[in-house]
Amino acid sequence: SAVISQKPSRDICQRGTSLTIQCQVDSQVTMMFWYRQQPGQSLTLIATANQGSEATYESGFVIDKFPISRPNLTFSTLTVSNMSPEDSSIYLCSVIPARGETQYFGPGTRLLVL
Amino acid sequence: GESVGLHLPTLSVQEGDNSIINCAYSNSASDYFIWYKQESGKGPQFIIDIRSNMDKRQGQRVTVLLNKTVKHLSLQIAATQPGDSAVYFCAENYNNNDMRFGAGTRLTVKP
Repeated sequence: SAVISQKPSRDICQRGTSLTIQCQVDSQVTMMFWYRQQPGQSLTLIATANQGSEATYESGFVIDKFPISRPNLTFSTLTVSNMSPEDSSIYLCSVIPARGETQYFGPGTRLLVL
Repeated sequence: GESVGLHLPTLSVQEGDNSIINCAYSNSASDYFIWYKQESGKGPQFIIDIRSNMDKRQGQRVTVLLNKTVKHLSLQIAATQPGDSAVYFCAENYNNNDMRFGAGTRLTVKP
């Protein structure tokens, strides 16, 4: 498995601002993902964070709104840009460790946009 | 499109009873399945997994059953405890780590 931490754990933001969420893993992982989970809902994949290259976004998500970085095998960031109340959600980092196939999740970042 | 779904959105059981949470999938190409538990305020936690070449796998108090004939997955929890109260998600990984999650079932354990 992998130990995953996210910062911040929660935040309250004003509309129009941006928030960058950090994901740190305690070991090198092959794949990192960012998910959104709206209240009472299942998980929706935003994008796959690729090391050293642009992230791969799912339908309905664009780089301008959710820029992602992954400078190395243990760290990634997700920025929620120009936020609106509709962006209020839990944002989850997920990883697949090296030589594994099971996906593990971080504790999530709870975002409220006013 | 094909998706993973759950038969029951909520499940309430008495402490000490066994719980069964069901999941139906429609993609016959799926070869790997995972059950996650998500407690309030936390991220999903891996419980147990199963590959498509198996039909049963047991863990500590949990058993996952896979019926490929009817494309059905279930999670059985023995002697359910209050700490088992959570939302349970099934997930299928059918192509190069393309993972899809079910809607989730909320399990409530009554003392």
